Amino acid sequence: SQQGEEDPQALSIQEGENATMNCSYKTSINNLQWYRQNSGRGLVHLILIRSNEREKHSGRLRVTLDTSKKSSSLLITASRAADTASYFCATALSGAGSYQLTFGKGTKLSVIP
Amino acid sequence: DSGVTQTPKHLITATGQRVTLRCSPRSGDLSVYWYQQSLDQGLQFLIQYYNGEERAKGNILERFSAQQFPDLHSELNLSSLELGDSALYFCASSVNIAGAPYNEQFFGPGTRLTVL
Repeated sequence: SQQGEEDPQALSIQEGENATMNCSYKTSINNLQWYRQNSGRGLVHLILIRSNEREKHSGRLRVTLDTSKKSSSLLITASRAADTASYFCATALSGAGSYQLTFGKGTKLSVIP
Repeated sequence: DSGVTQTPKHLITATGQRVTLRCSPRSGDLSVYWYQQSLDQGLQFLIQYYNGEERAKGNILERFSAQQFPDLHSELNLSSLELGDSALYFCASSVNIAGAPYNEQFFGPGTRLTVL
């Protein structure tokens, strides 16, 4: 079963607006990562936040992590048409040297020019 | 470009057949991961290799197997293919330095498998 669940499943906004996507997970994590996938292509790593961090920024991206609520959010500010993609959160459950990622089902973001 | 390469890009085959997907990790990355992405199951972790050794298994069917070679490239073998095996198969790599669990994974472009 999926560890992460993104919300909403789909989001449509106008260019220039902010987009917020949420992710909830079930078990304790080592870190949480956000990835972007353009239609049918490979995933691109956006940002990684460790379990002892609460907020992280990278360019127009802002990620928050609340381990008490087992949730994270990804904010994209001043969205562009090129941000149109699916966004996935992935949780890393480390153990015995394995750092496999468990992905949610993703949020499909459409940015309308 | 992530630096991870996968071949072939597309593969069309028939039920019951066997195929091999190939992945070359980024230079210096010791870990290779295989994922399957389908419409109904989403992105599922299949298996991880670290420096030639199997490290973790996820939702990988018994009909599927993988290996990582001394040059660190990896192959995923899918046999007795069924219609439901049609999916995008991704390979990812990461450094995984011992004691440093905070690793991002770099994904290849994927192999789209269609089983007819």
